[in-house]
Amino acid sequence: DAEITQSPRHKITETGRQVTLACHQTWNHNNMFWYRQDLGHGLRLIHYSYGVHDTNKGEVSDGYSVSRSNTEDLPLTLESAASSQTSVYFCASSPSLVTDTQYFGPGTRLTVL
Amino acid sequence: DAKTTQPPSMDCAEGRAANLPCNHSTISGNEYVYWYRQIHSQGPQYIIHGLKNNETNEMASLIITEDRKSSTLILPHATLRDTAVYYCIVRVGGGNNDMRFGAGTRLTVKP
Repeated sequence: DAEITQSPRHKITETGRQVTLACHQTWNHNNMFWYRQDLGHGLRLIHYSYGVHDTNKGEVSDGYSVSRSNTEDLPLTLESAASSQTSVYFCASSPSLVTDTQYFGPGTRLTVL
Repeated sequence: DAKTTQPPSMDCAEGRAANLPCNHSTISGNEYVYWYRQIHSQGPQYIIHGLKNNETNEMASLIITEDRKSSTLILPHATLRDTAVYYCIVRVGGGNNDMRFGAGTRLTVKP
């Protein structure tokens, strides 16, 4: 069955380190998204992509970057991890701008010490 | 996108229908109503969406009032596994892809 996966599921890192979170979907969806979820803030959009080589900033993009080299993957990179980036990160994908129901991955819990 | 208002929490007896309300009085004509839920520690799960007609699928029914200012998500026979936070989201379909999740309603299904 087609699906969306995230890895790792849990990650502990230190302040200042570069961290990359993986997101992989097998639905061949054009659109992919990264959100973070913190207590009291719900889900907030970090970056999104409408297709290969397309990336866009979301609501809370500072300190994060993404690249889209193929349809299946949208890795999220924290250039220099900060304690404020301790959060649960969710990746999502949707088929197109017309049929745009988003389907979410299981999440990655990141702790920055 | 229109703002939504949901009660912070609700309880429901197992086997009974769970009716989750959502107010979206500023909804525009081209905005859809989406419902997602999030079971503890899992990714949000799509439930249903609609524009103005009532919708039903294998998970739930969505009832949208005629003036579209409010809607109700109905889980016809709630089970313990339906305990989750339910989010009502109003947004333009096919355009801005940002899903704005608010605080949602925490539904607790009790035996």
